Amino acid sequence: DADVTQTPRNRITKTGKRIMLECSQTKGHDRMYWYRQDPGLGLRLIYYSFDVKDINKGEISDGYSVSRQAQAKFSLSLESAIPNQTALYFCATSEGANYGYTFGSGTRLTVV
Amino acid sequence: ILNVEQSPQSLHVQEGDSTNFTCSFPSSNFYALHWYRWETAKSPEALFVMTLNGDEKKKGRISATLNTKEGYSYLYIKGSQPEDSATYLCAFTSGGFKTIFGAGTRLFVKA
Repeated sequence: DADVTQTPRNRITKTGKRIMLECSQTKGHDRMYWYRQDPGLGLRLIYYSFDVKDINKGEISDGYSVSRQAQAKFSLSLESAIPNQTALYFCATSEGANYGYTFGSGTRLTVV
Repeated sequence: ILNVEQSPQSLHVQEGDSTNFTCSFPSSNFYALHWYRWETAKSPEALFVMTLNGDEKKKGRISATLNTKEGYSYLYIKGSQPEDSATYLCAFTSGGFKTIFGAGTRLFVKA
């Protein structure tokens, strides 16, 4: 099994729909992150969590919400999807600030 | 606003060439600098994390250096191979522990 599992891998949804992207990890790390990647841009931070009771906004949190259900689970929700949220979304975990991230396989989301 | 710049945006080299790329980041409030290798259709994989000015890291034919005072890091690949073709990302972690990624350098190695 992968260390960081994202579901679904691909999703097409309609404008205005609510959608949840799920992430679970078996690394035992406290820190979890959601990033989105758009062509020509770096990975941009949406939300991050340093433990179950800690949730922080990243650079581009508008239109998104998150839930840290357990140390191992961190889900990202789009309350009302819009076409410019079409992107590749990555979940990641880390042991600490001076350790590398472990990324999930990504979720390719298309909003039509 | 934290800004991480990578250059060049893309690079085409021949098999056997040595190459290097640059990552520029804010020289203040530094905590760590990461390098990742991202192959098409896969997830980014961590190569190095460096925290001290003057750090040098090496993994096989790939090495990296860090200058926190002037805000740059170099990634070197010696004797490039076709399997080195990937996007190389750098990421800057500030003292507030927020990590910002650059847009990456896309390397193409022709056999």
